[in-house]
Amino acid sequence: DIQMTQSPSSLSASVGDRVTITCRASQTINNFLNWYQQKPEKAPNLLIYAASSLENGVPSRFSGSGSGTDFTLTISSLQPEDFATYYCQQGYSTPLTFGQGTKVEIK
Amino acid sequence: QVQLQQWGAGLLKPSETLSLTCAVHGGSFSGHYWSWIRQPPGKGLEWIGEISHGGSTSYNPSLESRVTISLDTSKSQFSLNLTSVTAADTAVYFCARRRMTMLRGVITFPFHPWGQGTLVTVAS
Repeated sequence: DIQMTQSPSSLSASVGDRVTITCRASQTINNFLNWYQQKPEKAPNLLIYAASSLENGVPSRFSGSGSGTDFTLTISSLQPEDFATYYCQQGYSTPLTFGQGTKVEIK
Repeated sequence: QVQLQQWGAGLLKPSETLSLTCAVHGGSFSGHYWSWIRQPPGKGLEWIGEISHGGSTSYNPSLESRVTISLDTSKSQFSLNLTSVTAADTAVYFCARRRMTMLRGVITFPFHPWGQGTLVTVAS
């Protein structure tokens, strides 16, 4: 199985801050990496697919980068509605696997 | 706009079978994969398995001996059965489409959309 490791596990930030979350795969996954946002009691929502492509309807302050084993999700200016948990997911091979999540909290 | 609506029993006893169904509204089955994912309370996401529009299945080896995913295209539904449940199977279960997406000549399959989730509790 491909292990996905996110860092940090949690972070505190203020509205307007630039936030970066990293995700590392245990082996190369090319760019088959997706990012999701999950709010409490809700299903995850797709933000970024194929490492850097913004899903329709997702604000442009979200961006993704990386290839191979190392990936980054960046929120350029954190908004109140962005406080949530973020997950990366590899789509390179089955079993499909997720990172453990990064909880973004209000400072 | 594709939407997924899921339902099933929320309280089970140990050794019973978990059964959930997911209805697909507003889209075709063709070309996509139809998945089940679960999330234990306060924890992360675990992929259970999926079925293609042609009926081919793929399961997480950690659950493969107990899982069956099936498809009923006539009803636009797909279903999950998980046998011999224990307390460790307590989780919110989500259905999701793995959407076929072509990008610069490469096909990728992100999860979108997701069902609303069903909390399944296993307790005696």
